[in-house]
Amino acid sequence: GESVGLHLPTLSVQEGDNSIINCAYSNSASDYFIWYKQESGKGPQFIIDIRSNMDKRQGQRVTVLLNKTVKHLSLQIAATQPGDSAVYFCADLIPGTGNQFYFGTGTSLTVIP
Amino acid sequence: GAGVSQSPSNKVTEKGKDVELRCDPISGHTALYWYRQSLGQGLEFLIYFQGNSAPDKSGLPSDRFSAERTGGSVSTLTIQRTQQEDSAVYLCASSLETLQFFGPGTRLTVL
Repeated sequence: GESVGLHLPTLSVQEGDNSIINCAYSNSASDYFIWYKQESGKGPQFIIDIRSNMDKRQGQRVTVLLNKTVKHLSLQIAATQPGDSAVYFCADLIPGTGNQFYFGTGTSLTVIP
Repeated sequence: GAGVSQSPSNKVTEKGKDVELRCDPISGHTALYWYRQSLGQGLEFLIYFQGNSAPDKSGLPSDRFSAERTGGSVSTLTIQRTQQEDSAVYLCASSLETLQFFGPGTRLTVL
């Protein structure tokens, strides 16, 4: 079965520093990956996605890196702000599963002012 | 509405009672998903509706759980004879293509 997990369940960073959140996946057939941010009491919100034909994608203050060789995904947040405090989930899509995503446990990011 | 909405936002029930959770997806989205999120855990897939196709029920944890989607829009997740271990946040998402948009969830507490 698919396993999507995170290396660190919690992460604390100083405001203004960069944050790196990691994720590992087990199925080499996964071809689409999403990072979601979930603030307390809210549903997950899309941050950024990447397809398997890319190894890097940048958004506003966020960058996702994909290393297919070791099946590893990371989310980098530049100049972390208090509003970035949330739980971050990675999810991967496996072809042929009817658009079913597998979500990791999540990493709780706390930004220290 | 602009996004996925769910009701109620909070539900407290007694063990053994039935509950119904509602999801209003984004208008025009053909796919609808239900997930369960226990405290400190990731999202557990429950069920997936796509258009008029038979739903993918492979994630439902027991026969006490069921869901329907009427008219290809609103969906109701029903949990019969609730147990304390059913306590969780139940999230609904909808999508037109691949990207799923989530609602705020319903927090279910079974006493």
